[in-house]
Amino acid sequence: AQSVAQPEDQVNVAEGNPLTVKCTYSVSGNPYLFWYVQYPNRGLQFLLKYITGDNLVKGSYGFEAEFNKSQTSFHLKKPSALVSDSALYFCAVRDKGSSNTGKLIFGQGTTLQVKP
Amino acid sequence: DTEVTQTPKHLVMGMTNKKSLKCEQHMGHRAMYWYKQKAKKPPELMFVYSYEKLSINESVPSRFSPECPNSSLLNLHLHALQPEDSALYLCASSQERSGYSTDTQYFGPGTRLTVL
Repeated sequence: AQSVAQPEDQVNVAEGNPLTVKCTYSVSGNPYLFWYVQYPNRGLQFLLKYITGDNLVKGSYGFEAEFNKSQTSFHLKKPSALVSDSALYFCAVRDKGSSNTGKLIFGQGTTLQVKP
Repeated sequence: DTEVTQTPKHLVMGMTNKKSLKCEQHMGHRAMYWYKQKAKKPPELMFVYSYEKLSINESVPSRFSPECPNSSLLNLHLHALQPEDSALYLCASSQERSGYSTDTQYFGPGTRLTVL
């Protein structure tokens, strides 16, 4: 079965410091991986995705993610955190089963808290 | 433009009421989705429509009834709901050009539903 894990419920960083939000996956074949961010009482906003090619993917708002096949990871990173980055972050993998077109499998989410 | 709109923003209903949630997109996307999300949890897929036909029903109770009148519009009809159905209901859409598409799902802001 395909799955995604976000091992940290919460990540705390100081403003201006680099941040990392972790995600590992278990998928047969090549994974299609996504990161979304959710601000309070809002829908999910797409940040970036990995389909194929360069292992370093750049996305919106200065975020990037590194795909590591050997470690089955897709960690989200940002060189310098902002207080406004505080939100709930979801990693997701595309379910590639033939009967599950369009289905995303989400991790449990990680709350990022950036303190001034 | 990657906008998905949802109305209403908030809805309070009694257990005997009938109400509907509406979702609209004008991006030419051919797949549309309904998700249910509880606080600080990942979204749970309910239904997927692909080319205006229901392609996935994740064993959702019959008190939730989806409808896709055309390729831009998705409704969710609600009847005889229970208090545990209170949640944020999210709509999403994606282009879905093929069965194994890597297209991104774009989410609306959600409808906050409270069942009394």
